[in-house]
Amino acid sequence: SQQGEEDPQALSIQEGENATMNCSYKTSINNLQWYRQNSGRGLVHLILIRSNEREKHSGRLRVTLDTSKKSSSLLITASRAADTASYFCATGPTGAGTALIFGKGTTLSVSS
Amino acid sequence: GAGVSQSPSNKVTEKGKDVELRCDPISGHTALYWYRQSLGQGLEFLIYFQGNSAPDKSGLPSDRFSAERTGGSVSTLTIQRTQQEDSAVYLCASSVSGGGNQPQHFGDGTRLSIL
Repeated sequence: SQQGEEDPQALSIQEGENATMNCSYKTSINNLQWYRQNSGRGLVHLILIRSNEREKHSGRLRVTLDTSKKSSSLLITASRAADTASYFCATGPTGAGTALIFGKGTTLSVSS
Repeated sequence: GAGVSQSPSNKVTEKGKDVELRCDPISGHTALYWYRQSLGQGLEFLIYFQGNSAPDKSGLPSDRFSAERTGGSVSTLTIQRTQQEDSAVYLCASSVSGGGNQPQHFGDGTRLSIL
């Protein structure tokens, strides 16, 4: 079953604009991760935020986590055509769980 | 290589045939995962290995699906008597340790097409 649900499903922007993607989930988590997938390739890990963290930065990426609302957002600033990809959130379980649970992703298109 | 390697990259086979997909994880990674991704969809968890044992195989869709891992390294996913609904991209990932609290490193997948 899928826990993370990304919103929007698709996003089209111009180079230089910011892109914001949201992820909502249902149960308690240990951490939340964001991944990027270019067409025909595997997923690439972008950033991991733990449940006791509220915000994390990595280069042009900014991730926030609100555990009270069970939601996270990924902000890509000053987007580039190379950022065109699908972006997935994945939740890491608490307790004895093992697997990340992925959402269906947001498809981002950045045009030059 | 330094990354997760999967083979074959593409596989086309007839309905009813058996297929075997291979995954070489990053050296030293104890955890290995198999996922399935249908067109335009997210990832569906299949099975998780910690070392050579599979503490979580809850995602395997039917008894036609099996997987093993040997030497704490290479893993094979076998699908017997393939059906058209098995057509998908099968992705393998590894991480330093298991438990869902580590980044996962993915291969580029095997694109399986059942005719």
